[in-house]
Amino acid sequence: GENVEQHPSTLSVQEGDSAVIKCTYSDSASNYFPWYKQELGKRPQLIIDIRSNVGEKKDQRIAVTLNKTAKHFSLHITETQPEDSAVYFCAAPDNGGYQKVTFGTGTKLQVIP
Amino acid sequence: NAGVTQTPKFRVLKTGQSMTLLCAQDMNHEYMYWYRQDPGMGLRLIHYSVGEGTTAKGEVPDGYNVSRLKKQNFLLGLESAAPSQTSVYFCASSYLTGGRETQYFGPGTRLLVL
Repeated sequence: GENVEQHPSTLSVQEGDSAVIKCTYSDSASNYFPWYKQELGKRPQLIIDIRSNVGEKKDQRIAVTLNKTAKHFSLHITETQPEDSAVYFCAAPDNGGYQKVTFGTGTKLQVIP
Repeated sequence: NAGVTQTPKFRVLKTGQSMTLLCAQDMNHEYMYWYRQDPGMGLRLIHYSVGEGTTAKGEVPDGYNVSRLKKQNFLLGLESAAPSQTSVYFCASSYLTGGRETQYFGPGTRLLVL
């Protein structure tokens, strides 16, 4: 099955700075990589995703980059705000399919005002 | 449109007791999942279903059983609860479109096993 590693486990940044979270995956057949955000006490929610036919995708202050050769993908948050404080999870599908994904262990982001 | 709902929200069990967690979705999704979330461990898949009447094991299935008799419902059972099953349980449902899968999570069930 897929093995997803996520770093760092915790990240503190000053408001306005950028934050980067990195994930690696093991199955070279994987072709879809979502990111979920979980605020304290809430459910995880999809914030952005990327398919393997593109190298980068942006949505306002967040972006995701993908390096298929190296089998890693990253979440970039620019101009961080206190409401960005949450746990972020990356994920990759098992066996290159879309049924069942493996989640990373999560990154707790704290944005300091 | 309620999305994904879970019952109950919180439960305390004694070791050896049994219980069933109910997940319901009103989005007509084919795929449904049960995860447990523990500190530092992320979301670990317990069981999942790719359609009504089908179930499959995930990463940590031991001690749990599931059933999907109706498309909209996915039940998670604990036959004999153990303290190691203290966790937050999330149900999710999903669909595929354009090669993308979005999982919609329920609000979670907090389970404490004494």
